Amino acid sequence: GAVVSQHPSRVICKSGTSVKIECRSLDFQATTMFWYRQFPKQSLMLMATSNEGSKATYEQGVEKDKFLINHASLTLSTLTVTSAHPEDSSFYICSANDGTSGETQYFGPGTRLLVL
Amino acid sequence: GENVEQHPSTLSVQEGDSAVIKCTYSDSASNYFPWYKQELGKRPQLIIDIRSNVGEKKDQRIAVTLNKTAKHFSLHITETQPEDSAVYFCAANGSGNTGKLIFGQGTTLQVKP
Repeated sequence: GAVVSQHPSRVICKSGTSVKIECRSLDFQATTMFWYRQFPKQSLMLMATSNEGSKATYEQGVEKDKFLINHASLTLSTLTVTSAHPEDSSFYICSANDGTSGETQYFGPGTRLLVL
Repeated sequence: GENVEQHPSTLSVQEGDSAVIKCTYSDSASNYFPWYKQELGKRPQLIIDIRSNVGEKKDQRIAVTLNKTAKHFSLHITETQPEDSAVYFCAANGSGNTGKLIFGQGTTLQVKP
């Protein structure tokens, strides 16, 4: 149980385009999902908390107009990187709390974004 | 603000030896402390967690200890194997019942055969 999927696993795009990343909880409902960014050999940096049916809560320094988050259902949250630039290239990982095990977070497999 | 410090950043041990990774946290309201293992290019996998109502938890070769007074918690891996080689992250929950986790900087563990 507690399986989280992410799509796509890898994406290459041109500067100026937008990229959407999907995070799905496959066997449970997640009222809260989290989006992280991870640079090579570094820790997980929380970008925002995605709440089903309401606006996301962004961490300090994360541009909400740049990283659009939508959590339209209990099993799906999306992160859209708008007007991507090369500095947005990174590994983006989502996680979800299954609601039955307290604050345990289960991670998706991640999406590697390369902006040319 | 909330902060989790993790040491060491790298750790190399011989197969069969023990490995210890230590973390300290700043928010005294934190009460949940998970440990994740991340292999290169893969997702972090929860390996063990502990809540503040206990001081120690063990699962086969892995154990975690918690000292709430000192705001320290540690991961202990005994009888290490090459497949234990990975990056390990500690985390502590943030205050305010948000479900947020604050992660340490990570420890790269290398187990030499």
